[in-house]
Amino acid sequence: ETGVTQTPRHLVMGMTNKKSLKCEQHLGHNAMYWYKQSAKKPLELMFVYNFKEQTENNSVPSRFSPECPNSSHLFLHLHTLQPEDSALYLCASSQDQASGLDEQYFGPGTRLTVT
Amino acid sequence: GQNIDQPTEMTATEGAIVQINCTYQTSGFNGLFWYQQHAGEAPTFLSYNVLDGLEEKGRFSSFLSRSKGYSYLLLKELQMKDSASYLCAVRDSNYQLIWGAGTKLIIKP
Repeated sequence: ETGVTQTPRHLVMGMTNKKSLKCEQHLGHNAMYWYKQSAKKPLELMFVYNFKEQTENNSVPSRFSPECPNSSHLFLHLHTLQPEDSALYLCASSQDQASGLDEQYFGPGTRLTVT
Repeated sequence: GQNIDQPTEMTATEGAIVQINCTYQTSGFNGLFWYQQHAGEAPTFLSYNVLDGLEEKGRFSSFLSRSKGYSYLLLKELQMKDSASYLCAVRDSNYQLIWGAGTKLIIKP
């Protein structure tokens, strides 16, 4: 495996379910990100981990819970979601959030549908 | 508040040149990025500008004017595969990327 991988690619869940999204990067990066992408809206940054420390939590509802056990893995735990949470969830990684040219590499995303 | 503006959609002809503009108002500036996103795929990095001027990379060039809060992405010799959304993003004083909603570029033969 190379780059950034995400599983599952598609997820349909009810509002009372609990599920987790997984992201893995094979690039030796130190920063990992969760984004939400809704149609015709800007990418919304949800969480950032830099050197395994959470550095950003942009007022994300508590029904989304991130976990970063090591610099290569990132999870997003979901529970009691709402239909408006249906979106594409993208994971990204970069070398170091605070460095110069720090391009982010994105995974293919998880298309989440909440019914 | 922080804001990135870019046109929603543009149409161009194969072989032509197109310029996609981006204006921004952010708290601080630590670089501007352009990404390409094909439908159903992940965004991929195209270019980075931190100083004023033009950065050229093959058929793609990106320009920055920090005093005007303005950037553009120039695509030359357009090919059908260039049909995609182009995302402008600015890194603010907290090193957080602020994203525009993207410009959908449609290439016609």
